Amino acid sequence: DAGVTQSPTHLIKTRGQQVTLRCSPKSGHDTVSWYQQALGQGPQFIFQYYEEEERQRGNFPDRFSGHQFPNYSSELNVNALLLGDSALYLCASSPGGRIRAYEQYFGPGTRLTVT
Amino acid sequence: AQKVTQAQTEISVVEKEDVTLDCVYETRDTTYYLFWYKQPPSGELVFLIRRNSFDEQNEISGRYSWNFQKSTSSFNFTITASQVVDSAVYFCALRNAGNMLTFGGGTRLMVKP
Repeated sequence: DAGVTQSPTHLIKTRGQQVTLRCSPKSGHDTVSWYQQALGQGPQFIFQYYEEEERQRGNFPDRFSGHQFPNYSSELNVNALLLGDSALYLCASSPGGRIRAYEQYFGPGTRLTVT
Repeated sequence: AQKVTQAQTEISVVEKEDVTLDCVYETRDTTYYLFWYKQPPSGELVFLIRRNSFDEQNEISGRYSWNFQKSTSSFNFTITASQVVDSAVYFCALRNAGNMLTFGGGTRLMVKP
């Protein structure tokens, strides 16, 4: 049973560019959340997708957008990259839609470096 | 607004010592869930435990134990007889009415042989 997978593993971009990160949830999970983890800090919630819609959003600008596909996989897009966007981006999946009781399972993350 | 505080930034112990990681949370909700995650150097967050706000019963799983005290808004994590493989960053997290997890800043645990 495959866990949460993310691609790519590492990415180097230049300021002003755009980036797309991808996530496949754990089998049986229909809800995907994205987090940004800066070096030495705890993960910060970006947004969550369920039934192909953004259900909740953290305190991130509109440069951060996402999408969920019918197979529950998800993409995170960041436009106009800033140096401060350099971080580990974590995807997490959980079952049960809006039922908040379930724990989230995390993928290995994508390390984004903006130069 | 909700907040999770892990006051211990870094802890260093010698193998076989017991160690307790502190977690204090703030929330206005009466229903919420608390979590502990482990993040080894590989970066992937590993789920350890979930506790809901109505269940204050302490839990033990092998060398791990958790002490949830609603009166002090704390959810502390103890590792008994620590091992080198326990070295990692540990995060406490809170989930309330929304579906988002709010994480603490993490505690880096170093277990020396």
